[in-house]
Amino acid sequence: GAVVSQHPSWVICKSGTSVKIECRSLDFQATTMFWYRQFPKQSLMLMATSNEGSKATYEQGVEKDKFLINHASLTLSTLTVTSAHPEDSSFYICSARFGQGNQPQHFGDGTRLSIL
Amino acid sequence: DAKTTQPNSMESNEEEPVHLPCNHSTISGTDYIHWYRQLPSQGPEYVIHGLTSNVNNRMASLAIAEDRKSSTLILHRATLRDAAVYYCILGSTGGTSYGKLTFGQGTILTVHP
Repeated sequence: GAVVSQHPSWVICKSGTSVKIECRSLDFQATTMFWYRQFPKQSLMLMATSNEGSKATYEQGVEKDKFLINHASLTLSTLTVTSAHPEDSSFYICSARFGQGNQPQHFGDGTRLSIL
Repeated sequence: DAKTTQPNSMESNEEEPVHLPCNHSTISGTDYIHWYRQLPSQGPEYVIHGLTSNVNNRMASLAIAEDRKSSTLILHRATLRDAAVYYCILGSTGGTSYGKLTFGQGTILTVHP
């Protein structure tokens, strides 16, 4: 149980394009979804937290106009990297949680984004 | 955010028990202790979590010190598939950090055949 599917698993695109990443909870309703970014040989950094039907809450230093998050349903959240540049190349990972804050998060397998 | 301290790396032999330590001396009364692990090029995987009492599940056991300032993740019989980075994280259930997980550098576990 508690499966989170993330798509695509990898994407390569040209600088200036926008990329959308989907995160779906397949067998549970996600009260809250999270988006993380991980650079090579570093740990995960939380980018934003989103609750279904509400605006996402971004961590300090994360540009909300660059990283658009939509959480339209209890099973789907999307992250759009707008006008992506090479410095946005990273491993993006989503997670989903059902219930209260003490409950575990269940993670997708990540999206490897490479901007040329 | 309350922080945790873990050894950078540990090694084990296959089929032997592994005890992964974690110090969290600034833990607050409402912080849960979470353990996740991450294999290369994959998202983290939930392992176990607890508040005060020791916890067991099919993957591992979590032993929490009486003062809650430290905990130990126990893998009863390590396999090669247990080789991963293990993260000990305090999950806040109060304030502005409610429900957030702050990942540190974790412990790289190497399992030898």
